[in-house]
Amino acid sequence: EAQVTQNPRYLITVTGKKLTVTCSQNMNHEYMSWYRQDPGLGLRQIYYSMNVEVTDKGDVPEGYKVSRKEKRNFPLILESPSPNQTSLYFCASTASGGWDTGELFFGEGSRLTVL
Amino acid sequence: SQKIEQNSEALNIQEGKTATLTCNYTNYSPAYLQWYRQDPGRGPVFLLLIRENEKEKRKERLKVTFDTTLKQSLFHITASQPADSATYLCALTTGTASKLTFGTGTRLQVTL
Repeated sequence: EAQVTQNPRYLITVTGKKLTVTCSQNMNHEYMSWYRQDPGLGLRQIYYSMNVEVTDKGDVPEGYKVSRKEKRNFPLILESPSPNQTSLYFCASTASGGWDTGELFFGEGSRLTVL
Repeated sequence: SQKIEQNSEALNIQEGKTATLTCNYTNYSPAYLQWYRQDPGRGPVFLLLIRENEKEKRKERLKVTFDTTLKQSLFHITASQPADSATYLCALTTGTASKLTFGTGTRLQVTL
């Protein structure tokens, strides 16, 4: 089954404790992206990757890091989480490599709470 | 600055009626417009894509229109069912997935 898998789905952590949210897709997609979703603000892009070893900032990259060492994986790293990073996070992918607008396939989301 | 507006108030309609959701944008010249469905606590699911040179797109009970003069897209669900209850997001881009910008969504509630 074609899917985007995120882990963990739910996480409660404390300020400053480094964490990684993993994202993996099994569709051989070139393009992957991370979003956060907050009430009243909608989906905002954090980082995106056009292909392996190619990443770029989205609209709200502060406090986040990403890497793309393999085509299927695109982890989101919070080096020192703060309460304002409490949010619902989504990973997404598409086959187009970003040069066209094919549909985005989203993961199920990771709800992160930073105390 | 670029702005995408969807009605933040929930839309309540009766089963069997046609639901119409609106997506307005300003300071933007999108080449593509997409609609997604999102259920509570779940990831958005793609529904339809319409290009700037297309006036209308249909898929089963769904219809999307795209008026670049009015800077507006309308999303219609005909013969609506309670299972159609969800939040619907519009998303626009000038041409690449990396520049896809989402609206905040409109929640649709279909009652019996």
